[in-house]
Amino acid sequence: DTAVSQTPKYLVTQMGNDKSIKCEQNLGHDTMYWYKQDSKKFLKIMFSYNNKELIINETVPNRFSPKSPDKAHLNLHINSLELGDSAVYFCASSQDGGGSEQYFGPGTRLTVT
Amino acid sequence: AQSVTQLDSHVSVSEGTPVLLRCNYSSSYSPSLFWYVQHPNKGLQLLLKYTSAATLVKGINGFEAEFKKSETSFHLTKPSAHMSDAAEYFCVSLITGFQKLVFGTGTRLLVSP
Repeated sequence: DTAVSQTPKYLVTQMGNDKSIKCEQNLGHDTMYWYKQDSKKFLKIMFSYNNKELIINETVPNRFSPKSPDKAHLNLHINSLELGDSAVYFCASSQDGGGSEQYFGPGTRLTVT
Repeated sequence: AQSVTQLDSHVSVSEGTPVLLRCNYSSSYSPSLFWYVQHPNKGLQLLLKYTSAATLVKGINGFEAEFKKSETSFHLTKPSAHMSDAAEYFCVSLITGFQKLVFGTGTRLLVSP
C-alpha cells in the first residue's frame, strides 16, 4: 500500500489554466505538507495543515490555494498558471508537526507551456 | 535565521570506497537535523535524524552521521559505496516552533563502477 499518494504524476498545461493536484495519506497522520522543488532541485515548503487547519503558509502567491477536506487529504489548486510554476510538487505527511519524520509522496511534475 | 549549507553540489566516488557528504548548520541552539535521499524521479526518503539523544546517528542502508556542535557540522558518511547509492542527498534542519523543514541545496552522489 502506498503511504502518501499524489495524482496526477505528470501534468502538462498551458499558461492561464487552472489545475489541481491531489494528495492522500493512509498513515493516520495529523499533519500534511506541500513542497515545491524547482529545476535546481531546491526544495521549499509551501503549506502545512494540522488536522485540516492551516499551520504554515509561506510567501506563496495567492493563486495557490490548498484545501484539506479531511486530515487524510490535502489538495493543491493553482489558478492562472504561469511558466514559473513549472516544478515538481511534493506532498508529505507526519504524525505531528513537532519534528517527527515526514513521509513524502512520489511528486507531481507540473509543466506549464 | 536557521539554515543548512551543503558544501558540495556533486560528489563522485568509486564503488566500494567511502562516502562523505558535508553539511553545516547555523542555529543559536541545538537543532533537529535530518538527511533525506531522493533517487531519480522518486520522492524523498528519510535516511536518519538527529534529535539530541546521541551525537552519532545510524540510519538506513549503512549510512551514519555525526553531530559536532563545535564544528556546527552534521556530515553523512558510509564506509563503502554501492551503485544503488547514486542519488541526491539533502541535509535538512527543523525549525522548531514553526514546525517546518529547511532544506539544503542538495548534493548529488555519483558512484562509478
